[in-house]
Amino acid sequence: EIVLTQSPATLSLSPGERATLSCRASQSISTCLAWYQQKPGQAPRLLIYDASNRATGIPARFSGSGSGTDFTLTISSLEPEDFAVYYCQQRDSWWTFGQGTKVEIK
Amino acid sequence: EVQLLESGGGLEQPGGSLRLSCSGSGFTFNSYGMNWVRQAPGKGLEWVSAISGSGLNTYYADSAKGRFTISRDNSKNTLFLQMNSLRGEDTAVYYCAKEGGYKQPFDLWGRGTLVTVSS
Repeated sequence: EIVLTQSPATLSLSPGERATLSCRASQSISTCLAWYQQKPGQAPRLLIYDASNRATGIPARFSGSGSGTDFTLTISSLEPEDFAVYYCQQRDSWWTFGQGTKVEIK
Repeated sequence: EVQLLESGGGLEQPGGSLRLSCSGSGFTFNSYGMNWVRQAPGKGLEWVSAISGSGLNTYYADSAKGRFTISRDNSKNTLFLQMNSLRGEDTAVYYCAKEGGYKQPFDLWGRGTLVTVSS
């Protein structure tokens, strides 16, 4: 089973700052990685698929990069609505999620 | 409107059973794999089960194997999760989620239904 480890657990930033979130896979997954955003009381929303492709309607300030075992989600300039929890996800034999990174207002 | 709507959650005693349903609309239901994902209170996302568009192939997390059964009725655009032998650790919001394509991430989620297992 492939394990995804996200870091940091919490990121405290101010609006307008750049956010860099990490997701590391326990073995190579090529570019088969997705990122989701979840706000309190809401379902997750797909942001990025195949490591670097933005999903429909996702603003350009969200970008993904990486391949193999190390992946990054970058939010270039945080908007107030971006403060949320972010999860990475991969599929090997089945789907697994990372434990999440909370982006909170500093 | 493209949407998923879950139902069937509630309070059940340990050892009991529940059947969750998820109704899809606005897309060709039988063309997409579907999944159940759960989230325990204050915790992260946990994938539970998946089923192919045809319904012929099913997959389960270890936590669900032998207790949960995923199925679908494509004539009614509905996904199901039969949950038996429920445990306290099954308490969670259960989301249904649509794959964006073959083995593609989940591009559509329902709002979730809360399952509480407690005596």
